[in-house]
Order: sequence, then C-alpha cells, then structure tokens
Amino acid sequence: DTAVSQTPKYLVTQMGNDKSIKCEQNLGHDTMYWYKQDSKKFLKIMFSYNNKELIINETVPNRFSPKSPDKAHLNLHINSLELGDSAVYFCASSLDETDGNEQYFGPGTRLTVT
Amino acid sequence: GQNIDQPTEMTATEGAIVQINCTYQTSGFNGLFWYQQHAGEAPTFLSYNVLDGLEEKGRFSSFLSRSKGYSYLLLKELQMKDSASYLCAVRARGGYNKLIFGAGTRLAVHP
Repeated sequence: DTAVSQTPKYLVTQMGNDKSIKCEQNLGHDTMYWYKQDSKKFLKIMFSYNNKELIINETVPNRFSPKSPDKAHLNLHINSLELGDSAVYFCASSLDETDGNEQYFGPGTRLTVT
Repeated sequence: GQNIDQPTEMTATEGAIVQINCTYQTSGFNGLFWYQQHAGEAPTFLSYNVLDGLEEKGRFSSFLSRSKGYSYLLLKELQMKDSASYLCAVRARGGYNKLIFGAGTRLAVHP
C-alpha cells in the first residue's frame, strides 16, 4: 500500500565512502524529486525527473548523481561522502510537473556520515 | 532572491485556534502550499492556494494575499495530534513544480 517508499531508512557510513538511496512510487506519477532536510529542518530541492528526464538540477555538488531507470524509480548515488552530507533525504512524487500538483513524500532516509 | 519567513515556534492550548503566518519574497509566484511534518516523519500535504482568499478544509483553512506576499494557516479546535511542524512552500515561476520551503513553524499543543 505504500505510496512512496525509500530504502534504506537509516544509513550510517564513514567519510569517503560511496552510497546509494533508492526510491520507488506506486502512484503512477510522472514526476519524482529528491530533497535534503538539514539539521535546521530546511527542506531543499536537489533534483527532479519527469518521465525519466532530468528537469530540475539545483546547485548540488557533482558527487551527487540521480538516476531514473523508469518513471516509478529515482535513485540517488553519493560519492566520496563528507560530514556535511549528514541529513535526512526525502524522495517525493507528483502527478506531473505542472501547477498545483501536490507532492507526496517518502518516509525519508537519515544519512549519518562519521 | 528567494525568502520565505515563518515563526520558528508557537504554542497553543487544546481546543483553541492558532494562526501560523508565512511571508514570502520570491522570483515570481505560482502557488503556495502548506505541509504538516510530525517529528521523524515525512511532510504531508495540507492545502494549496493560488488565488487570493480563504480555502477551508475541515479544521484547517489557508489564506493567501498575493499583493502582500502573505499567507496564513488557521487551525481550529486544536488537538494534541496537531503538534508538528508546519511548512510553508512557494512554487516560484519557472515551471517544473519547484517548491521553495520555509524553515517551518514548530507548533506545540498542550492540554
């Protein structure tokens, strides 16, 4: 029944490692997003894909690379992890990229880099 | 630049009414969303305003004034479960449903 799911829920890793977070939505939506929520609780858009095509690419270090194998999946790969990458990463989806479509969020992945 | 301001924290009593304000300055405007986020959980959609005026949805209402760059979320008949953060987000012009979020207002409801 889960609409937007992410794995893993928690991720603890050391600086310099490479890790991936996976996201899947079963809502039949065309558009998916990655957000980062830092310790001050600001939720900031990182990337968005519409039907497997990258449409939003904010100023994010190129160590972060999103991949969308199909419109129901959007993964986030992070190379050479740094302490400042510690945050909660949320995946979201919406019907499409047009006005007024609410975004449905996944449960989040809490990443801790030590 | 893009700027969205909300109070950091508010407290209220069970059964009361509380109004959470949000002011914004963004490059263009294409709608404003309110989301609720309980601690350790995902944000969930509450309301969407694109035209001036009040939108009512049960105990929650949201108001928008585009000329003033101002919105508020009104919560009536407060319940303990309403203790959460309330996030104001603006969809700036430029397409692609890109939302700019405020830092959120943490609301504590007590008996």
